[in-house]
Amino acid sequence: EPEVTQTPSHQVTQMGQEVILRCVPISNHLYFYWYRQILGQKVEFLVSFYNNEISEKSEIFDDQFSVERPDGSNFTLKIRSTKLEDSAMYFCASSEGTASNQPQHFGDGTRLSIL
Amino acid sequence: QKEVEQNSGPLSVPEGAIASLNCTYSDRGSQSFFWYRQYSGKSPELIMFIYSNGDKEDGRFTAQLNKASQYVSLLIRDSQPSDSATYLCAVAWAAGTALIFGKGTTLSVSS
Repeated sequence: EPEVTQTPSHQVTQMGQEVILRCVPISNHLYFYWYRQILGQKVEFLVSFYNNEISEKSEIFDDQFSVERPDGSNFTLKIRSTKLEDSAMYFCASSEGTASNQPQHFGDGTRLSIL
Repeated sequence: QKEVEQNSGPLSVPEGAIASLNCTYSDRGSQSFFWYRQYSGKSPELIMFIYSNGDKEDGRFTAQLNKASQYVSLLIRDSQPSDSATYLCAVAWAAGTALIFGKGTTLSVSS
């Protein structure tokens, strides 16, 4: 069964550094998403991406964050000037259509640890 | 503010019993409802989704939706120890692309 793949599985970074989290969505999916989950808390929406532009973003997704689809397969989340509170699991997801009519499938996640 | 509420549990049931997980949501503009299972330290895994009022069955799982009451539930029949996990309710609104998640209900099935 096709799946969303994420790399790396664990990223450790010094506070203030930039990180790039990478995702390969399911090949025929058109919508891509990033979510995060701080330890012990609920999964939170960050951003959705369709047709090479952001469709929707949450209050969490401020100027520190950016997303990009650099080629036909990868989808990346960049976090600039990382802070301790950015430590979380970051999940990439993809879907064939919008959330209102198609389920989203999640990757295994990247655990981001900011020191 | 869109909110999705779940009882955090833990919900404890014996093996073979029916587990009933509940979820309420705040906005009548909600369109689609999803149940995900999350094992500790793992990613959310889609179990079921439901768009229309009523019941939807898939194997041992039944999702129930009542839009008038803003309520969605998941029934797990013949519960197994391997069903022990946190169950996440997620809601999508018609005009949006985001999933809004509840905090999840922890289910423990004892053998």
